Amino acid sequence: DQQVKQNSPSLSVQEGRISILNCDYTNSMFDYFLWYKKYPAEGPTFLISISSIKDKNEDGRFTVFLNKSAKHLSLHIVPSQPGDSAVYFCAASAVGGAQKLVFGQGTRLTINP
Amino acid sequence: KAGVTQTPRYLIKTRGQQVTLSCSPISGHRSVSWYQQTPGQGLQFLFEYFSETQRNKGNFPGRFSGRQFSNSRSEMNVSTLELGDSALYLCASSRRGESYEQYFGPGTRLTVT
Repeated sequence: DQQVKQNSPSLSVQEGRISILNCDYTNSMFDYFLWYKKYPAEGPTFLISISSIKDKNEDGRFTVFLNKSAKHLSLHIVPSQPGDSAVYFCAASAVGGAQKLVFGQGTRLTINP
Repeated sequence: KAGVTQTPRYLIKTRGQQVTLSCSPISGHRSVSWYQQTPGQGLQFLFEYFSETQRNKGNFPGRFSGRQFSNSRSEMNVSTLELGDSALYLCASSRRGESYEQYFGPGTRLTVT
Protein backbone atom coordinates (compact mmCIF):
# COMPACT_ATOMS: atom_id res chain seq x y z
CA ASP A 1 0.00 0.00 0.00
CA GLN A 2 1.97 2.92 -1.33
CA GLN A 3 0.47 6.07 0.16
CA VAL A 4 2.86 8.45 -1.61
CA LYS A 5 3.62 7.85 -5.26
CA GLN A 6 6.07 9.38 -7.65
CA ASN A 7 5.12 7.82 -10.95
CA SER A 8 8.08 9.07 -12.97
CA PRO A 9 11.26 7.21 -12.06
CA SER A 10 13.31 9.62 -14.14
CA LEU A 11 13.13 13.02 -15.80
CA SER A 12 15.55 14.72 -18.16
CA VAL A 13 15.49 18.52 -18.60
CA GLN A 14 17.66 20.98 -20.46
CA GLU A 15 19.67 23.48 -18.41
CA GLY A 16 17.79 26.74 -17.98
CA ARG A 17 14.38 25.20 -18.52
CA ILE A 18 11.74 24.38 -15.92
CA SER A 19 11.81 21.02 -14.13
CA ILE A 20 8.46 19.76 -12.86
CA LEU A 21 8.42 16.79 -10.50
CA ASN A 22 5.09 15.26 -9.53
CA CYS A 23 3.79 13.38 -6.53
CA ASP A 24 0.40 11.85 -5.69
CA TYR A 25 -0.89 10.69 -2.32
CA THR A 26 -3.83 8.67 -1.14
CA ASN A 27 -4.06 9.33 2.61
CA SER A 28 -6.44 12.19 3.42
CA MET A 29 -4.86 12.50 6.85
CA PHE A 30 -1.62 13.88 5.41
CA ASP A 31 -1.35 17.53 6.37
CA TYR A 32 2.25 18.42 5.61
CA PHE A 33 4.35 17.72 2.56
CA LEU A 34 8.08 17.98 1.95
CA TRP A 35 10.54 17.62 -0.88
CA TYR A 36 14.04 16.27 -0.39
CA LYS A 37 16.98 16.01 -2.77
CA LYS A 38 19.46 13.17 -2.52
CA TYR A 39 22.90 12.74 -4.01
CA PRO A 40 24.60 9.31 -4.06
CA ALA A 41 26.28 8.34 -0.78
CA GLU A 42 24.63 11.24 1.07
CA GLY A 43 21.52 11.60 3.17
CA PRO A 44 18.46 13.42 1.80
CA THR A 45 18.66 17.21 1.93
CA PHE A 46 15.53 19.16 2.83
CA LEU A 47 14.42 21.49 0.03
CA ILE A 48 10.99 22.93 0.64
CA SER A 49 7.74 22.10 2.39
CA ILE A 50 4.07 23.04 2.34
CA SER A 51 1.25 22.81 4.81
CA SER A 52 -2.13 21.52 3.71
CA ILE A 53 -3.67 24.93 4.47
CA LYS A 54 -1.68 26.44 1.61
CA ASP A 55 -1.63 25.75 -2.10
CA LYS A 56 1.76 27.24 -2.96
CA ASN A 57 5.10 27.87 -1.32
CA GLU A 58 8.15 29.47 -2.92
CA ASP A 59 11.80 29.49 -1.96
CA GLY A 60 14.13 30.94 -4.55
CA ARG A 61 14.16 28.73 -7.63
CA PHE A 62 11.92 26.15 -5.95
CA THR A 63 8.12 26.28 -5.80
CA VAL A 64 5.83 23.60 -4.46
CA PHE A 65 2.17 23.47 -5.48
CA LEU A 66 -0.47 21.50 -3.60
CA ASN A 67 -3.84 20.47 -5.04
CA LYS A 68 -5.69 18.88 -2.15
CA SER A 69 -8.78 17.92 -4.10
CA ALA A 70 -6.63 15.95 -6.55
CA LYS A 71 -4.27 14.77 -3.79
CA HIS A 72 -1.39 15.95 -5.93
CA LEU A 73 1.67 18.07 -5.39
CA SER A 74 4.42 19.21 -7.67
CA LEU A 75 7.86 20.75 -7.36
CA HIS A 76 8.92 23.34 -9.92
CA ILE A 77 12.58 24.25 -10.36
CA VAL A 78 13.23 27.36 -12.45
CA PRO A 79 15.72 27.74 -14.00
CA SER A 80 17.17 24.24 -13.82
CA GLN A 81 20.91 24.01 -13.20
CA PRO A 82 23.37 21.11 -13.61
CA GLY A 83 23.78 20.92 -9.82
CA ASP A 84 20.07 20.08 -9.57
CA SER A 85 20.77 16.62 -11.00
CA ALA A 86 19.87 14.26 -8.16
CA VAL A 87 17.08 12.00 -6.91
CA TYR A 88 14.09 13.93 -5.57
CA PHE A 89 11.81 12.47 -2.91
CA CYS A 90 8.36 13.63 -2.02
CA ALA A 91 7.36 12.97 1.61
CA ALA A 92 4.20 13.42 3.65
CA SER A 93 3.29 13.56 7.30
CA ALA A 94 -0.07 12.82 8.88
CA VAL A 95 -1.83 14.61 11.70
CA GLY A 96 -0.54 13.18 14.97
CA GLY A 97 2.43 11.50 13.34
CA ALA A 98 4.46 14.54 12.50
CA GLN A 99 7.84 12.90 12.71
CA LYS A 100 6.83 9.82 10.71
CA LEU A 101 7.50 10.78 7.14
CA VAL A 102 6.10 8.61 4.36
CA PHE A 103 8.27 8.84 1.25
CA GLY A 104 7.64 8.32 -2.43
CA GLN A 105 9.99 6.14 -4.46
CA GLY A 106 11.88 9.09 -5.87
CA THR A 107 12.43 10.66 -9.28
CA ARG A 108 15.91 10.88 -10.78
CA LEU A 109 16.31 14.33 -12.34
CA THR A 110 19.05 14.85 -14.92
CA ILE A 111 19.83 18.35 -16.13
CA ASN A 112 21.49 18.36 -19.54
CA PRO A 113 23.82 21.21 -20.56
CA LYS B 1 26.31 24.56 12.82
CA ALA B 2 27.26 20.89 12.60
CA GLY B 3 24.83 18.59 10.83
CA VAL B 4 23.59 15.17 11.81
CA THR B 5 26.42 12.69 12.19
CA GLN B 6 26.21 8.94 11.94
CA THR B 7 28.76 6.30 12.80
CA PRO B 8 30.01 4.09 11.39
CA ARG B 9 29.51 5.02 7.73
CA TYR B 10 30.01 1.49 6.47
CA LEU B 11 29.59 -1.86 8.16
CA ILE B 12 29.79 -5.48 7.08
CA LYS B 13 28.22 -8.11 9.29
CA THR B 14 27.42 -11.80 9.06
CA ARG B 15 23.91 -13.24 9.17
CA GLY B 16 22.85 -13.92 12.74
CA GLN B 17 25.05 -11.23 14.28
CA GLN B 18 23.78 -8.03 15.84
CA VAL B 19 24.73 -4.44 15.06
CA THR B 20 24.48 -1.05 16.76
CA LEU B 21 24.41 2.20 14.80
CA SER B 22 24.87 5.63 16.31
CA CYS B 23 23.41 9.05 15.51
CA SER B 24 24.20 12.50 16.90
CA PRO B 25 21.52 15.09 16.08
CA ILE B 26 21.95 18.74 15.23
CA SER B 27 22.55 20.77 18.37
CA GLY B 28 19.22 21.82 19.84
CA HIS B 29 17.25 19.10 18.07
CA ARG B 30 15.61 16.72 20.50
CA SER B 31 13.78 14.40 18.12
CA VAL B 32 15.64 11.64 16.29
CA SER B 33 14.02 9.42 13.67
CA TRP B 34 15.47 6.40 11.90
CA TYR B 35 14.75 5.27 8.36
CA GLN B 36 15.78 2.29 6.25
CA GLN B 37 16.45 2.73 2.55
CA THR B 38 16.53 -0.26 0.20
CA PRO B 39 16.23 -0.43 -3.59
CA GLY B 40 13.01 -2.43 -3.36
CA GLN B 41 11.15 -0.69 -0.54
CA GLY B 42 12.54 2.81 -0.76
CA LEU B 43 12.76 4.97 2.36
CA GLN B 44 10.80 3.51 5.26
CA PHE B 45 10.27 4.89 8.76
CA LEU B 46 11.63 2.73 11.56
CA PHE B 47 10.98 4.73 14.73
CA GLU B 48 11.26 8.11 16.41
CA TYR B 49 12.68 9.04 19.78
CA PHE B 50 12.00 12.22 21.72
CA SER B 51 12.97 12.90 25.32
CA GLU B 52 14.44 9.42 25.58
CA THR B 53 11.08 7.80 24.74
CA GLN B 54 9.97 6.07 21.58
CA ARG B 55 7.09 8.17 20.20
CA ASN B 56 6.35 6.56 16.85
CA LYS B 57 7.09 3.18 15.33
CA GLY B 58 7.01 1.83 11.80
CA ASN B 59 6.20 -1.68 10.58
CA PHE B 60 9.42 -3.45 11.38
CA PRO B 61 9.97 -6.61 13.44
CA GLY B 62 11.06 -6.48 17.06
CA ARG B 63 14.64 -7.25 16.00
CA PHE B 64 14.90 -3.55 15.28
CA SER B 65 15.14 -1.45 18.40
CA GLY B 66 16.55 1.85 19.50
CA ARG B 67 17.16 4.18 22.35
CA GLN B 68 17.91 7.81 23.03
CA PHE B 69 20.18 9.28 25.62
CA SER B 70 19.74 12.42 27.73
CA ASN B 71 21.95 14.40 25.31
CA SER B 72 19.56 13.42 22.46
CA ARG B 73 22.07 11.09 20.82
CA SER B 74 20.43 7.92 19.59
CA GLU B 75 21.40 4.38 18.80
CA MET B 76 19.56 1.72 16.86
CA ASN B 77 20.19 -1.98 17.21
CA VAL B 78 19.38 -4.83 14.89
CA SER B 79 19.63 -8.32 16.33
CA THR B 80 19.85 -11.65 14.52
CA LEU B 81 20.75 -10.00 11.23
CA GLU B 82 19.20 -11.30 8.03
CA LEU B 83 20.40 -10.81 4.46
CA GLY B 84 17.40 -8.57 3.84
CA ASP B 85 18.62 -6.13 6.49
CA SER B 86 21.29 -4.94 4.09
CA ALA B 87 20.38 -1.30 3.54
CA LEU B 88 21.28 2.31 4.07
CA TYR B 89 20.17 3.35 7.56
CA LEU B 90 19.43 7.04 7.86
CA CYS B 91 19.00 9.11 10.96
CA ALA B 92 17.15 12.42 10.93
CA SER B 93 16.77 15.07 13.60
CA SER B 94 14.26 17.83 14.14
CA ARG B 95 13.07 20.30 16.77
CA ARG B 96 9.69 18.54 16.98
CA GLY B 97 6.68 20.70 17.64
CA GLU B 98 8.10 23.68 15.77
CA SER B 99 8.18 22.25 12.29
CA TYR B 100 7.94 18.99 10.50
CA GLU B 101 11.26 19.37 8.67
CA GLN B 102 13.72 16.63 9.42
CA TYR B 103 17.41 16.91 8.64
CA PHE B 104 19.20 13.76 7.63
CA GLY B 105 22.66 12.43 8.29
CA PRO B 106 24.80 10.73 5.63
CA GLY B 107 23.64 7.27 6.64
CA THR B 108 25.27 3.99 7.60
CA ARG B 109 25.60 1.45 4.80
CA LEU B 110 25.06 -2.01 6.35
CA THR B 111 25.91 -5.10 4.35
CA VAL B 112 24.89 -8.49 5.73
CA THR B 113 26.67 -11.51 4.25
